[in-house]
Amino acid sequence: DAKTTQPTSMDCAEGRAANLPCNHSTISGNEYVYWYRQIHSQGPQYIIHGLKNNETNEMASLIITEDRKSSTLILPHATLRDTAVYYCIVRVSDSARQLTFGSGTQLTVLP
Amino acid sequence: GAVVSQHPSRVICKSGTSVKIECRSLDFQATTMFWYRQFPKQSLMLMATSNEGSKATYEQGVEKDKFLINHASLTLSTLTVTSAHPEDSSFYICSARGGGDGNQPQHFGDGTRLSIL
Repeated sequence: DAKTTQPTSMDCAEGRAANLPCNHSTISGNEYVYWYRQIHSQGPQYIIHGLKNNETNEMASLIITEDRKSSTLILPHATLRDTAVYYCIVRVSDSARQLTFGSGTQLTVLP
Repeated sequence: GAVVSQHPSRVICKSGTSVKIECRSLDFQATTMFWYRQFPKQSLMLMATSNEGSKATYEQGVEKDKFLINHASLTLSTLTVTSAHPEDSSFYICSARGGGDGNQPQHFGDGTRLSIL
């Protein structure tokens, strides 16, 4: 699976949009981009995933560049409860394959 | 949404004890379950992958005789840490994915914090 690069940490003001970038320049055509987050001492929580089109759900939006080499997770109105480590993961479409976690981005939402 | 339940959430026990952790998919059938381990300030590391009715596949460096995995049904997998020692103290997290479309997300339990005294 392709490697991803994320900033180590980011801060965001409460109520503002949080934009978390991810580089995956070696992504191949059959690899999806997944985003998870892990709040301290909890299991990871699925946020969103996509292949090449932008995606939106009740939690976030995922913007994937046209060349698919990078993506941005957008939390439109960050709250204090969004403080977590956010993981960007690319994975082939294969139900037997695991998710491989990198270091992620520590997002801190400030009051 | 898909729910994965993990039990117990916390275990404290003496060295040499065996500990069993259960992972259940509550509203879907999990053909594949994954067990991860996370040490403080580190990311999740995959320990093993299990498919219902077959033997688990362990990652390099994970002792299969120490970490026994059973995936007897489509909704239940168990991890038994045998003869646990202080170095086995960690945060153990299970994950499950249903069958069908391979791009379906994995869903995670809330983890089990294991402390060996």
